[in-house]
Amino acid sequence: QVQLVQSGSELKKPGASVKVSCKASGYTFTSYAMNWVRQAPGQGLEWMGWINTNTGNPTYAQGFTGRFVFSLDTSVSTAYLQISSLKAEDTAVYYCARAGPIFGVVIMAYYMDVWGKGTTVTVSS
Amino acid sequence: QSALTQPRSVSGSPGQSVTISCTGTSSDVGGYNYVSWYQQHPGKAPKLMIYDVSKRPSGVPDRFSGSKSGNTASLTISGLQAEDEADYYCCSYAGSYTPWVFGGGTKLTVL
Repeated sequence: QVQLVQSGSELKKPGASVKVSCKASGYTFTSYAMNWVRQAPGQGLEWMGWINTNTGNPTYAQGFTGRFVFSLDTSVSTAYLQISSLKAEDTAVYYCARAGPIFGVVIMAYYMDVWGKGTTVTVSS
Repeated sequence: QSALTQPRSVSGSPGQSVTISCTGTSSDVGGYNYVSWYQQHPGKAPKLMIYDVSKRPSGVPDRFSGSKSGNTASLTISGLQAEDEADYYCCSYAGSYTPWVFGGGTKLTVL
């Protein structure tokens, strides 16, 4: 079945880096866009951006430029979110979510139909 | 891109209907027929309930319906059931550079 499996919870100190993985199965990885969504404790969903799994081109939402990097390893159908120089306010659950399909650089459908279970990142000294 | 505006909370009794609104602008909700709705139970991942304003994915009960008028989209849940108690988020396409924007979320309480 179609699923996204995310890596486990992380506890990091301020200033450190973290890399969250999202492994896709049950579909052709490069045929769909991959989004990243943040949910801070007690807060709503916040779209962080997406990566074109065809071209590897990332797009970042406002507020998620600089310390946030999306990447891929298409050989293992996995998307990654790396956050550097971690701050306490980065404490959140991070979700990957499939959207698309994509055709070249164009997204053909604008909804997120498959979600990972989320990865909790806690930043604390 | 500002978040879409949703009421913080709504409530209804079992069997009743409730409607959750989602207000944006002509640059997002009003400009495209690409509004989606997500249900999130505590500690769980969001689940797609409605896409393209009014379409239901396979497996979503027909008690859930969506509509749009101008810059405001709505999710209506009829025949409320206890398991519908959750947070609901709207999301809209907002242009080719930043394709998605979420609403702030609405907590649905089934009385």
